[in-house]
Amino acid sequence: KQEVTQIPAALSVPEGENLVLNCSFTDSAIYNLQWFRQDPGKGLTSLLLIQSSQREQTSGRLNASLDKSSGRSTLYIAASQPGDSATYLCAVSGSGNTPLVFGKGTRLSVIA
Amino acid sequence: GAVVSQHPSRVICKSGTSVKIECRSLDFQATTMFWYRQFPKQSLMLMATSNEGSKATYEQGVEKDKFLINHASLTLSTLTVTSAHPEDSSFYICSARTGARVGSFGPGTRLTVT
Repeated sequence: KQEVTQIPAALSVPEGENLVLNCSFTDSAIYNLQWFRQDPGKGLTSLLLIQSSQREQTSGRLNASLDKSSGRSTLYIAASQPGDSATYLCAVSGSGNTPLVFGKGTRLSVIA
Repeated sequence: GAVVSQHPSRVICKSGTSVKIECRSLDFQATTMFWYRQFPKQSLMLMATSNEGSKATYEQGVEKDKFLINHASLTLSTLTVTSAHPEDSSFYICSARTGARVGSFGPGTRLTVT
């Protein structure tokens, strides 16, 4: 059974810092991996999607990498801003028809 | 494109009553819909998978008679929490997709049972 772990569980940084969020998964046979953002009491916002054949994806200040063989992904946030404060969730899919398996998330606070 | 809506966004009900949550794909036909539940400070846990026109498949530990799922059309799935109890209070999120495409998530429904 696929398990997704995210480290750290919580992170507080001063504004402007670059930071890395980590995600690991136990079964490397994934179809894709997604990073989401969730604000308190809200739904999910998809940030980046990496297909199993890809190594990384970039969107603005965000860069996600994928090392499928080792079961790891990282989300890099450059020049963090207070507006980046949220919970970041990592999720993997085993195939095109299977649901996502989520990690517990990293709660990020960026202090002005 | 690929927008999913949920209704209601928030609902408060009394213990013992039933509550229906709707999940709609607004601009595409969803062959598959997933229902997730999220308790405070926890991650999303899959409750069930529903394919249009067939019975839902429930995850282990989820009572199918308590959480009734109907996916009668390609744009609508409903989750009915029957005889709700305070421990059913949670954030319910649906995801909808067509075939093997990446799914879209609804904005979620906050259920509070008093």
